[in-house]
Amino acid sequence: DQQVKQNSPSLSVQEGRISILNCDYTNSMFDYFLWYKKYPAEGPTFLISISSIKDKNEDGRFTVFLNKSAKHLSLHIVPSQPGDSAVYFCAATYNTDKLIFGTGTRLQVFP
Amino acid sequence: DAGVTQSPTHLIKTRGQQVTLRCSPKSGHDTVSWYQQALGQGPQFIFQYYEEEERQRGNFPDRFSGHQFPNYSSELNVNALLLGDSALYLCASSPGGWNEKLFFGSGTQLSVL
Repeated sequence: DQQVKQNSPSLSVQEGRISILNCDYTNSMFDYFLWYKKYPAEGPTFLISISSIKDKNEDGRFTVFLNKSAKHLSLHIVPSQPGDSAVYFCAATYNTDKLIFGTGTRLQVFP
Repeated sequence: DAGVTQSPTHLIKTRGQQVTLRCSPKSGHDTVSWYQQALGQGPQFIFQYYEEEERQRGNFPDRFSGHQFPNYSSELNVNALLLGDSALYLCASSPGGWNEKLFFGSGTQLSVL
């Protein structure tokens, strides 16, 4: 049972535009959500997170939105840069239990 | 400040063999988690070690075992390797038993032939 789903395997965006990556989850007990970025031949690196008591968290060019009623979260990158090209994983956890990851979305930012 | 280091980076084994993967956590971290990432999938939790004990375990068979040493480094052992064990094995560290904001190593790519 895939509790965290990223239904778009890939996304292509022009440099300077907004990138929107989406993630859906099924377990209403999740209380903390994270986004990780992964470059080839490297491990995932933490990008941004949000608690279930909030609906938005912003860090520079990155903003995560949480819609609990829809069990949906999204990552917005504005403006997108070529260095943002990577695989982005959504992850969720509850009560500091293990992280459950989605399958990832490959973002390509082209000039 | 060294991050999470894993060894080896690549490994080729044959079915039925046993393998040991190693991980040194980020300085100041005492908790180590292991994840398996199959091709085209997200990382899947194998288990977590804290204070030299297995604290949590994911849905993996007993062929997967681990150990944490007093210096917080950790090993992942897989016995009786199957073709389906071919994957990237990621080690992640965190402080104080936390599971959030994990710091990952670059992984060990295991190929089982």
